Amino acid sequence: EPEVTQTPSHQVTQMGQEVILRCVPISNHLYFYWYRQILGQKVEFLVSFYNNEISEKSEIFDDQFSVERPDGSNFTLKIRSTKLEDSAMYFCASSEESHYGYTFGSGTRLTVV
Amino acid sequence: DAKTTQPPSMDCAEGRAANLPCNHSTISGNEYVYWYRQIHSQGPQYIIHGLKNNETNEMASLIITEDRKSSTLILPHATLRDTAVYYCIVRVANDYKLSFGAGTTVTVRA
Repeated sequence: EPEVTQTPSHQVTQMGQEVILRCVPISNHLYFYWYRQILGQKVEFLVSFYNNEISEKSEIFDDQFSVERPDGSNFTLKIRSTKLEDSAMYFCASSEESHYGYTFGSGTRLTVV
Repeated sequence: DAKTTQPPSMDCAEGRAANLPCNHSTISGNEYVYWYRQIHSQGPQYIIHGLKNNETNEMASLIITEDRKSSTLILPHATLRDTAVYYCIVRVANDYKLSFGAGTTVTVRA
């Protein structure tokens, strides 16, 4: 069964450093998403991306965050200057159509120290 | 801005059907009902969705009441691997965001 692949599975970074989280969505999917889950809290929407542009973003997705689809297969989330409160599991997801079910990756655990 | 109400937890016996309720009394005509689950901090897993008709796939069945104000997810033969947090989510088709609530923690017991 097709999977969404996320790398790395765990990243530790110093506060103030830039991090890039990588995702390979399912190949025929057109819609891409990032979500995060702080330990013990709900899964939160960050951003959706379609047709090479952001289609929707949440209040969490401020100027410190950016997304990019640098080639035909990768989808990245960049955090420019990490803060302690950015520590969370970050999940990438993709879907073939916007109203179809999403396929989520297994996540990247980001720890900011 | 929770649009759904689910019980916080429920237990079910292995091999029996698990019936997970969800209330969405303010659902509008163009909103779908989606079910996802999350097994121990893994990525959420899509289970099923529907608009007004009952739906069935290899994982589960979704029963939506005629007035669409509530629904039930049925896992026909629960296994220990079905232990997870189950989320009921309503959204319109062209809304890209899934709003996850606290869900129902389902524990399947041997």
